[in-house]
Amino acid sequence: AQSVTQPDIHITVSEGASLELRCNYSYGATPYLFWYVQSPGQGLQLLLKYFSGDTLVQGIKGFEAEFKRSQSSFNLRKPSVHWSDAAEYFCAVGASTGANNLFFGTGTRLTVIP
Amino acid sequence: EPEVTQTPSHQVTQMGQEVILRCVPISNHLYFYWYRQILGQKVEFLVSFYNNEISEKSEIFDDQFSVERPDGSNFTLKIRSTKLEDSAMYFCASSQGKGNQPQHFGDGTRLSIL
Repeated sequence: AQSVTQPDIHITVSEGASLELRCNYSYGATPYLFWYVQSPGQGLQLLLKYFSGDTLVQGIKGFEAEFKRSQSSFNLRKPSVHWSDAAEYFCAVGASTGANNLFFGTGTRLTVIP
Repeated sequence: EPEVTQTPSHQVTQMGQEVILRCVPISNHLYFYWYRQILGQKVEFLVSFYNNEISEKSEIFDDQFSVERPDGSNFTLKIRSTKLEDSAMYFCASSQGKGNQPQHFGDGTRLSIL
């Protein structure tokens, strides 16, 4: 079965600084990978996704993520963080065959300080 | 942009009572899902639904749970006899297809069992 690990529970960055949120997955075949963001009191918004092809994917709000098969990772990056980026970020993996459900990591809470 | 909508946003119920959580998926989507997130834990898959039947379900989705698409727009999750441990945020999601079609989530229903 698939699984996702987000090793950082909470990260604090200064506004304008760069950001990298880590995600490692476990899956036997080529995974489908997603990053979602959850602002307080709101649902999960899709930031970006990887299915195949170019391993560097661009998403909304200036985020990007890089799929590295050799490291089983799909880290999320942003070159310059804005205060509005403060939220909870979830990495998720789906199967390329068979079952359609997503497996989520435990999330990383991002705090942005002025 | 079309959204998944969930009602109510917060439901408080006495233990042992039945509760129905409602969702309106995006209109041209064919796959529907329920996930839950217990406070402080990861988002967990409950069930997926396609072509008017359950396509996958997790171990969490026991006989106390059921899903239904009673008409062309609503998708409901029923918990027959609620337990304290059912307290969680319940998310509905929908997608156009399987696998590489991303799942779009609603804002969730916070279920509190007293």
